[in-house]
Amino acid sequence: DAGVTQSPTHLIKTRGQQVTLRCSPKSGHDTVSWYQQALGQGPQFIFQYYEEEERQRGNFPDRFSGHQFPNYSSELNVNALLLGDSALYLCASRYLGLAGRYEQYFGPGTRLTVT
Amino acid sequence: SQELEQSPQSLIVQEGKNLTINCTSSKTLYGLYWYKQKYGEGLIFLMMLQKGGEEKSHEKITAKLDEKKQQSSLHITASQPSHAGIYLCGADIEDKIIFGKGTRLHILP
Repeated sequence: DAGVTQSPTHLIKTRGQQVTLRCSPKSGHDTVSWYQQALGQGPQFIFQYYEEEERQRGNFPDRFSGHQFPNYSSELNVNALLLGDSALYLCASRYLGLAGRYEQYFGPGTRLTVT
Repeated sequence: SQELEQSPQSLIVQEGKNLTINCTSSKTLYGLYWYKQKYGEGLIFLMMLQKGGEEKSHEKITAKLDEKKQQSSLHITASQPSHAGIYLCGADIEDKIIFGKGTRLHILP
């Protein structure tokens, strides 16, 4: 069973450009969350998707948008890229474990560099 | 808003030695995750704690959530080079995770 997968692995963009990152959750997981991790920091919550709708959102500007497809995969779009958007972008999918607790599993991330 | 503080920020340990990493929350924890991250890579799920006093183990790694549910500790016994990396604690807040800044663990051979 494949875990959470993300593409691409690395990406280099120029300021002002737009970027789309992709995520496929683990099989059976229906909720996808996106996080941004700057160098030397813990991941910061961007937003979460469930049943193709954005359920909740962190403190990120509208330049960050997303989408979830019927097969639960998800995209993160960032418009008008800034140098400060350079980070590791992580996708997580949620699973209701046997103990009745949710567990979140993360993908390998996409390293975005904005020049 | 809830904040998590991890200590120490960085740790250098001789192989074979035991070590402890702490995670302190500004508010009550209703779910606490521990993850491990290799530099520039994704997060590896270690365990999740929910009940006060709960203790879980994964191979040589043990984590505990204190009774008051505002602090968690992660203990590694007989450390190995494979334990090197960044350890992150995260509070489960309404299905999103608020993370600490991480503890960087280096193991000396």
